[in-house]
Amino acid sequence: EAGVAQSPRYKIIEKRQSVAFWCNPISGHATLYWYQQILGQGPKLLIQFQNNGVVDDSQLPKDRFSAERLKGVDSTLKIQPAKLEDSAVYLCASSSAGGGGGFGEQYFGPGTRLTVT
Amino acid sequence: AQSVTQLGSHVSVSEGALVLLRCNYSSSVPPYLFWYVQYPNQGLQLLLKYTTGATLVKGINGFEAEFKKSETSFHLTKPSAHMSDAAEYFCAVKWPGAQKLVFGQGTRLTINP
Repeated sequence: EAGVAQSPRYKIIEKRQSVAFWCNPISGHATLYWYQQILGQGPKLLIQFQNNGVVDDSQLPKDRFSAERLKGVDSTLKIQPAKLEDSAVYLCASSSAGGGGGFGEQYFGPGTRLTVT
Repeated sequence: AQSVTQLGSHVSVSEGALVLLRCNYSSSVPPYLFWYVQYPNQGLQLLLKYTTGATLVKGINGFEAEFKKSETSFHLTKPSAHMSDAAEYFCAVKWPGAQKLVFGQGTRLTINP
């Protein structure tokens, strides 16, 4: 089966500019996650969708970050305006299971490496 | 707050030597436990997981990990390192009733010829 697709793979922007990342999860996976991975750190969850509804966005900086998952399939993460500290790899993952504490293996895409200058 | 700690941000071993990567979590409630591997410029790939049952878990590429409740640990081992094992390894935890994975900070494994 096809894996999680992400684009672009690399992006360089200046601070205060805007940027958008796209993710297409594995077909049939109801749950989609966006993570931020800063160099030298583990991934940090930004937002989790169950179908097209938000399950957890407690760590999403909502003043500049936004995400949507229209039609419960692919998703877009946007940053506007970007700051230097947003330089990171943005990972998208999907799983077939929902929340509620059950186990759902997450499959990760290759990530988008963002550099803000 | 619940947390995951990986002891050692960088581990270096010789080819053929034992690999031991340490992971501890903070909680008295047994969580679900995972190890992921990340090769350069790639996403994370699941190595192995513990949910319930046998505490010694075998994964891909010859890795295994043992859940020790009394020590709140889930260390990753491989008897004989191979050059292709060089990568970043992440321990992750999912607590029962919680929605998300919490990752450790990662351990970069270097294999010396």
